[in-house]
Amino acid sequence: SQQGEEDPQALSIQEGENATMNCSYKTSINNLQWYRQNSGRGLVHLILIRSNEREKHSGRLRVTLDTSKKSSSLLITASRAADTASYFCATDGDQAGTALIFGKGTTLSVSS
Amino acid sequence: GAVVSQHPSRVICKSGTSVKIECRSLDFQATTMFWYRQFPKQSLMLMATSNEGSKATYEQGVEKDKFLINHASLTLSTLTVTSAHPEDSSFYICSARDGVSGEKLFFGSGTQLSVL
Repeated sequence: SQQGEEDPQALSIQEGENATMNCSYKTSINNLQWYRQNSGRGLVHLILIRSNEREKHSGRLRVTLDTSKKSSSLLITASRAADTASYFCATDGDQAGTALIFGKGTTLSVSS
Repeated sequence: GAVVSQHPSRVICKSGTSVKIECRSLDFQATTMFWYRQFPKQSLMLMATSNEGSKATYEQGVEKDKFLINHASLTLSTLTVTSAHPEDSSFYICSARDGVSGEKLFFGSGTQLSVL
């Protein structure tokens, strides 16, 4: 099963520009996480935001969460070519120990 | 941070053969592990939840006799794709939580299965 949608599906920007990706989900959550995946590789955890948080920062990353709209956004500032990857949001249910359910992902291409 | 080791990273096999994929938690005990499948340019789809010492719980549409899961210890879960066919070709990735209610899921590096 999949939790929701991410938009855009694909995003192409120039180095130095900011990239914003959005994620929507359907059920109540305990937390929402963002992951990055380089082509054909495993997942790298980027940031976790809890359901009682509205915004979180980590380096060039800024994540927001709006539980009333069941949506989240990931902002990457001052993008670099090395940021080229697919980005997924993932949510877990409000019960401990459940699996993460992933959104469809956004493919980001940053050109130099 | 916690490490999950997955092997093999890539396997090519003939149609009809069975393939076993191992997932190990290296520095923590994982009572629960999760198996995902990812087709090209798509997202990760949860296949099953593997519970140590008990039967796995499969998601709707996933054949339990096709994808055998064994979680015999707190650090090892295996996924066996039985009688593999070309349509089983996919990227398989396991994950585990550090503890029953650990917030983060730690992922293996994935296994690219190609069935000829």
